Parts: sequence; structure tokens; C-alpha cells
Amino acid sequence: DAKTTQPPSMDCAEGRAANLPCNHSTISGNEYVYWYRQIHSQGPQYIIHGLKNNETNEMASLIITEDRKSSTLILPHATLRDTAVYYCIVNPNYGQNFVFGPGTRLSVLP
Amino acid sequence: GAGVSQSPRYKVAKRGQDVALRCDPISGHVSLFWYQQALGQGPEFLTYFQNEAQLDKSGLPSDRFFAERPEGSVSTLKIQRTQQEDSAVYLCASSSQEQETQYFGPGTRLLVL
Repeated sequence: DAKTTQPPSMDCAEGRAANLPCNHSTISGNEYVYWYRQIHSQGPQYIIHGLKNNETNEMASLIITEDRKSSTLILPHATLRDTAVYYCIVNPNYGQNFVFGPGTRLSVLP
Repeated sequence: GAGVSQSPRYKVAKRGQDVALRCDPISGHVSLFWYQQALGQGPEFLTYFQNEAQLDKSGLPSDRFFAERPEGSVSTLKIQRTQQEDSAVYLCASSSQEQETQYFGPGTRLLVL
């Protein structure tokens, strides 16, 4: 079973920030938080990952709470092309298979 | 650079037919994973290779499923005597030894009639 829980769906207005939450209350000290997204009919696309510090790249920002029991993926200016299913995964960073939950279906609305 | 590629992208098989799905990982990537994704679900793990060694095949649903990676690069997932419940998207992912982020291919969509 997935070690994360996410809301099944969210809407966001185009141009606004999309904040996607994820709970991982049983995360272990050596487990990373990964975020992927899957646009219809494509393979999952890597977005970002982190251990305990907040991370930012060209796609998104990842905010991890101090107790590491939850995190938020932030897409700063959502576009229609960001409509996808977003998966939050916790994983030890040494070649273990990912355990996907059902993810959050984000709809960016014009 | 080139990402993970998979072929064929679509496969229609008659029930009972054998199929072979190919994965070309990113060059130099040591780890290779196969996942199965049913409609409306998240991907589920099938099997894992490190170089040519199959280290974990705990997710293979039956002995009709077989995977190989004989030279530590290209991998083939074979399904014998396909059944309708095998209809799914089969995803391949690879990762390097230094950075364990997995990069996924586009998947092969298998439909068994």
C-alpha cells in the first residue's frame, strides 16, 4: 500500500498557484518525498524530490513540514498544460520500486 | 538527451497469444523497473533489474509473465497466453546508480481481446 494520502481531485484557475498537498505521516528518516505527474496517455514525468529541506526547480517548489509528515507541491503559475494526475511517493533513495497511490487529478481551468 | 523508449506503443492481442514488450532505458542507467497500470489506477510494480540481474520479481502477477535484460541494457517483458485481465499500460523506468530518480518511458498499451 502507498504510504501517502492525497485528495482525489483539485481545480485551479489558469495563472494562479496550484498547491497540492500530500500526507505521509509514517515516513521514515531515510525516505525521500518524490512528486511525479502523468498527463493523459503519457508515462509519469518526474517533477521534484526532497528529503527535509524545501526544494525548487524550474517546474515547481516542494515544501516539506519540519516533522516531515506532510508536504506541498507548488506550481507557481499553473497553465492548461499542467492538467494531469499528480503522484506523491515516499521512497528510500536506493533503487527501490515506487509505490504509487491514486494521486490527485489536477484540472487547470481557463 | 534520449529518454526511455518503449515499443510497440500499442499492441492488440487475441486471448491466448504471446506478446513481447521492449524497453530501451537511458544509456548507462543501471536500474530498470517494469510497472503495470490499469485504467484509472496508479502504476504497480512488476519487476526490477540491476544491470542484468533480476533482483526483484515479486510484483509479477503470474508465471505467464517473464522479464529479461540479458546484456544489462535493453529489457523485454514477455506475457505468455495473454488473458483479458492483462490489458493495461506497461511502463518501463530507469535510473542511474548515482541518482535514484526514475525516468519513465511512454508505456505500451496492451489490449487483449
